[in-house]
Amino acid sequence: NAGVTQTPKFRVLKTGQSMTLLCAQDMNHEYMYWYRQDPGMGLRLIHYSVGEGTTAKGEVPDGYNVSRLKKQNFLLGLESAAPSQTSVYFCASSPGGLAGPKYFGPGTRLLVL
Amino acid sequence: AQSVTQLDSQVPVFEEAPVELRCNYSSSVSVYLFWYVQYPNQGLQLLLKYLSGSTLVKGINGFEAEFNKSQTSFHLRKPSVHISDTAEYFCAVSEKTSYDKVIFGPGTSLSVIP
Repeated sequence: NAGVTQTPKFRVLKTGQSMTLLCAQDMNHEYMYWYRQDPGMGLRLIHYSVGEGTTAKGEVPDGYNVSRLKKQNFLLGLESAAPSQTSVYFCASSPGGLAGPKYFGPGTRLLVL
Repeated sequence: AQSVTQLDSQVPVFEEAPVELRCNYSSSVSVYLFWYVQYPNQGLQLLLKYLSGSTLVKGINGFEAEFNKSQTSFHLRKPSVHISDTAEYFCAVSEKTSYDKVIFGPGTSLSVIP
């Protein structure tokens, strides 16, 4: 039981490049979330999903896209990276919405030059 | 839309002393409330949550929080802190009408001084 895993752990991009962050959970959870964490701002919700095939926008969705084709995976895409997207990205999962995001991954550190 | 304020960005406290980390929220509807802890270079862990019922909620590691609807607050307390409690603490809120969307506060850095 690995919990929530995130790939990659670190990445450096140049402005305009694209990439996909992968989040995987092995707990059969319905809910999955993507947050970004910036100093002094806490975690801000980018997108979330309440089940396979569904996605919804959070607080700061612009510049990001997501997909939940399989229940265990939640992908976060950056089509054209910008320096403002330099951040630490956390994925989380939960068995149900009322519990809030319960299990967090270790994070992905992204630097956009 | 809901929002969360954590007035203290940093709280230093001596070991074995009590601590209170403050959280206030803003929402036009009923809410669910959460506290999370983030140890250095790790992801977040859920400390406790308030969904309904008793306004005093007990969590892991000896922490508790009290929901005060009239003051729109959900302060976190511990009667005696340990060095291992040094971490970042985040308050979070979701509205009952859209509970999927959990919004976090900016965080409070707790430093326990030996």
